[in-house]
Amino acid sequence: GNSVTQMEGPVTLSEEAFLTINCTYTATGYPSLFWYVQYPGEGLQLLLKATKADDKGSNKGFEATYRKETTSFHLEKGSVQVSDSAVYFCALRIPINTNAGKSTFGDGTTLTVKP
Amino acid sequence: EAGVAQSPRYKIIEKRQSVAFWCNPISGHATLYWYQQILGQGPKLLIQFQNNGVVDDSQLPKDRFSAERLKGVDSTLKIQPAKLEDSAVYLCASSHSAGRTHNSPLHFGNGTRLTVT
Repeated sequence: GNSVTQMEGPVTLSEEAFLTINCTYTATGYPSLFWYVQYPGEGLQLLLKATKADDKGSNKGFEATYRKETTSFHLEKGSVQVSDSAVYFCALRIPINTNAGKSTFGDGTTLTVKP
Repeated sequence: EAGVAQSPRYKIIEKRQSVAFWCNPISGHATLYWYQQILGQGPKLLIQFQNNGVVDDSQLPKDRFSAERLKGVDSTLKIQPAKLEDSAVYLCASSHSAGRTHNSPLHFGNGTRLTVT
């Protein structure tokens, strides 16, 4: 089956520190990969995505590269801010025969950034 | 564009009672999902609709959970009777369904937090 494994949290960093959140996956077929972010009291929202090997997704200073050889999609940011404090979810999506796609999510990593 | 709308935001019920949640997806999104998110875990798919047809309900506890999307737009998820372990956030999401749809991200509502006492 399909699965996503994320680095366990919580992660606590000081402002301007470098962030890495590890994500590895197993999938049947060729998935698209996503990072979602969830702020307190809100639903998940897309942060970035990559749809094929070696693609790099980027948004708001965050980046992740689709590594097919290591089945990984690690999230990085060079300098975190207090406003980045949230829960981050790695997810994959594979096509299914009804053309609708099936998503699988990791368990999330809580990031707290202190001033 | 307007986002995915869900109601209510919070619900507290006693075990063995029933509860219903409502979702209105983004206009034009043919695919609608209901997820259960238990505290500290990622969302787990309960049911996926394509228009008004069910694509995947393999993880839906059908003895107590039901969902419908009669006109292919808004949807309701019902639990009857509720158990203590149903306490969770219930998230609705929608996505485009055209072309290579597995590239399309999910758009989530803010969820309904259910507490069963």
